Amino acid sequence: QVQLQESGPGLVKPSETLSLSCTVSGASITTYYWSWIRQSPGKGLEWIGYVYFRGNTNYNPSLKSRVTMSVDTSKSQFSLRLSSVTAADTAVYYCARNSGGGTYYVEFDYWGRGTLVTVSS
Amino acid sequence: DIQMTQSPSSLSASVGDRVTITCRASQRIDSHLNWYQQKPGKAPRLLIDTAFSLQGGVPSRFIVSGSGTYFTLTISSLQPEDFATYYCQQSYSTPWTFGQGTEVEIK
Repeated sequence: QVQLQESGPGLVKPSETLSLSCTVSGASITTYYWSWIRQSPGKGLEWIGYVYFRGNTNYNPSLKSRVTMSVDTSKSQFSLRLSSVTAADTAVYYCARNSGGGTYYVEFDYWGRGTLVTVSS
Repeated sequence: DIQMTQSPSSLSASVGDRVTITCRASQRIDSHLNWYQQKPGKAPRLLIDTAFSLQGGVPSRFIVSGSGTYFTLTISSLQPEDFATYYCQQSYSTPWTFGQGTEVEIK
């Protein structure tokens, strides 16, 4: 059974960097592309970007200048870093698996439970 | 970016009712549209993918149609477990985008 679990601080100060990890079990992290998606009351569901174990990435242009994603195959984890955060980055952050074409015609077939990250001093 | 607009934003219905949710794309996306169900405090769950395929365990009362810019999700006979928020998501081009959601409430 495929499972994804987000981890990381629930509180980040403005202007600092948000860092989250997602641990994958039940599937090979080298077989799929993996996405981060966030959900806030103001903006609904927003796809942040995806990463592949070889380092291929595709970021949402609205966040591209602040986002970095990577994969650690030894830990079966992929990660998200979002720099220079503001209150607008407060959201529930989900990790998810890209199904379908991996990088095109994608659906997100497995999701983590989500983790709330609050940006506040 | 492709904008996805769902309507209505919310609806109230009774068990056994037939309900329809619409999703419009700001440009043609062929049939590359997915539907998700989300219950409070939970992650979205993929219901139906771009091939109009119901995911495992999704009952056949969920019916989708559409192509181009106009899509619908119909629940033919609403059941208690169907009360949730539903989202469409276009997979035609990045950045992949979601509709704002339709909350289905109990009347």
